[in-house]
Amino acid sequence: EAQVTQNPRYLITVTGKKLTVTCSQNMNHEYMSWYRQDPGLGLRQIYYSMNVEVTDKGDVPEGYKVSRKEKRNFPLILESPSPNQTSLYFCASSLSYPRLGGSTDTQYFGPGTRLTVL
Amino acid sequence: SQQGEEDPQALSIQEGENATMNCSYKTSINNLQWYRQNSGRGLVHLILIRSNEREKHSGRLRVTLDTSKKSSSLLITASRAADTASYFCATDDNTDKLIFGTGTRLQVFP
Repeated sequence: EAQVTQNPRYLITVTGKKLTVTCSQNMNHEYMSWYRQDPGLGLRQIYYSMNVEVTDKGDVPEGYKVSRKEKRNFPLILESPSPNQTSLYFCASSLSYPRLGGSTDTQYFGPGTRLTVL
Repeated sequence: SQQGEEDPQALSIQEGENATMNCSYKTSINNLQWYRQNSGRGLVHLILIRSNEREKHSGRLRVTLDTSKKSSSLLITASRAADTASYFCATDDNTDKLIFGTGTRLQVFP
């Protein structure tokens, strides 16, 4: 089954304790990205990746790191989490890039990771 | 920067009625997409309209795009209780970012 998986689904942690949220897709997609969703703010893109070893900042990259060592995986790293990073996080992937303007831009979303930083 | 702004923020209707929600954006785009989100879950793609298209249909969904006004609308006809969800538009801003709006929360009462 074609899917995007994220782990963990729920996480409660404390300020400053490094954490990683994993994301994996099995569709051989080129484009992967991370979003955070906060009430009243919609989804905001944190980082995106157009291929292996190619990553770029989205609109809210501060406090986050990513890596793309393999095509299928795109982990999100919080080196020193703070309470303002409490949010619902989504990973998504698509076959091609948004700028190409085609049906292959369709984003497939993971189920979400609800993170609470105390 | 928030590219897409949906309007209204919330909409309540009865089953069988039509629901219209609007999206405005700021820069030129290559395409605009609409997504649906059931409470707390991942978004699901509904429909994509390219910048050179004016209208597109998919089942009970009708999307229009007016690039001169930088706006799009999503019409759901003959709504059902199962259409209750949040709806988001998403655009590229001629870069490889994808920018989502703040969403319209639709409640359909049986």
